[in-house]
Amino acid sequence: QSALTQPASVSGSPGQSITISCTGTSSDVGGYNYVSWYQQHPGKAPKFMIYDVSNRPSGVSNRFSGSKSGNTASLTISGLQAEDEADYYCSSYTTSSTWVFGGGTKLTVL
Amino acid sequence: QLQLQESGPGLVKTSETLSLTCTVSGGSVSSSNYNWGWVRQPPGKGLEWIGSISYSESTHYNPSLKSAVTLSVDTSKNHFSLKVNSVTAADTAVYYCARLSRWGDLYYFDNWGRGALVTVSS
Repeated sequence: QSALTQPASVSGSPGQSITISCTGTSSDVGGYNYVSWYQQHPGKAPKFMIYDVSNRPSGVSNRFSGSKSGNTASLTISGLQAEDEADYYCSSYTTSSTWVFGGGTKLTVL
Repeated sequence: QLQLQESGPGLVKTSETLSLTCTVSGGSVSSSNYNWGWVRQPPGKGLEWIGSISYSESTHYNPSLKSAVTLSVDTSKNHFSLKVNSVTAADTAVYYCARLSRWGDLYYFDNWGRGALVTVSS
């Protein structure tokens, strides 16, 4: 299985909104509404941020939102804050009953 | 509060077997509410799903790793384990163990260990 495609980096200023894309195929992102997103700060374990494309676990800020169109899922962070600077990974369930991650996107808050 | 802790050798020789254990505290590996899994991250690179195991020891593996990987659960010790056979330098990574909980229709990685760096070298 091939990794999902994410931009290597995105950036934004405090208070702005940014969107990170995650492109797969009809065998993963496009075939299921089972996309999740993880936030990872340097040297730390990933943190579960979004599931089922657009749902937030309890405790995750409502500044984080997810969506999907066709084979591409997106994570939007509104009202950017300095602590949002991190790496972000998408993940999708696949037709093989497995999981695949994206390559990761480094978010820089300017 | 649930805690997961990876343990095992930090250095493994090429062609040998990498073995890691994830000890669970504040929860039970025999609970039917959860699955357990492993994800690795080569230095400076992205996450790679290795595999998952249920409380009933049903397993799913990354197809690219399937022939080399074995997951198991030991309910008496409340831990689960990963073995990777015939390792090469490409298996050098931080290995994370994680719990999968049911959110909506599926189980997602919602609680992670701190990770253990394993270096493969001759």
